[in-house]
Amino acid sequence: GAGVSQSPSNKVTEKGKDVELRCDPISGHTALYWYRQRLGQGLEFLIYFQGNSAPDKSGLPSDRFSAERTGESVSTLTIQRTQQEDSAVYLCASSPLGGGTQYFGPGTRLTVL
Amino acid sequence: AQSVAQPEDQVNVAEGNPLTVKCTYSVSGNPYLFWYVQYPNRGLQFLLKYITGDNLVKGSYGFEAEFNKSQTSFHLKKPSALVSDSALYFCAVRDWANTPLVFGKGTRLSVIA
Repeated sequence: GAGVSQSPSNKVTEKGKDVELRCDPISGHTALYWYRQRLGQGLEFLIYFQGNSAPDKSGLPSDRFSAERTGESVSTLTIQRTQQEDSAVYLCASSPLGGGTQYFGPGTRLTVL
Repeated sequence: AQSVAQPEDQVNVAEGNPLTVKCTYSVSGNPYLFWYVQYPNRGLQFLLKYITGDNLVKGSYGFEAEFNKSQTSFHLKKPSALVSDSALYFCAVRDWANTPLVFGKGTRLSVIA
């Protein structure tokens, strides 16, 4: 079946602009995660959604970052007033109810000029 | 707090030789351990996981990993390396179901023909 999809695949923006990144999880997966991967680094957790529970926002680096999820489907990660240090690949993952493996999308490469 | 260490930034191995990519972890409870592989400009692909049971876990593409509780290690192995195995490998851990993964910084594997 279809995997996790993300759009856009690449985004170039100017410093100070807002950006929205989209994630479509695997159908039926109740958990959805956002991670950030800076060049040459491992993955850094940003935010986690589990069903209708309040999201775990403990990884968001600043109040410029926010995310929403509609039910158990699409999620959008919004970065306001982008800064050059926001340049990274943003990865989304989903996993089924009750735990299990997280499956990753291809990522969105964000470049802030 | 959970943590993962991948002590080698780079591993070089000749094609046909066995390979090992090292990972050690720290969690407060029972570990859920994962290996992912990332090819250039691609998202992360799941290779294998340890939840419970046999300490030797077999995964995709001929890879396996051995869980060693006393040494808190989960090293990735393959008996005979292929050039196509060249990629970036990430070890990850969480301490219970459906929580964000904590990733190591990754190990770049280079298999030389």
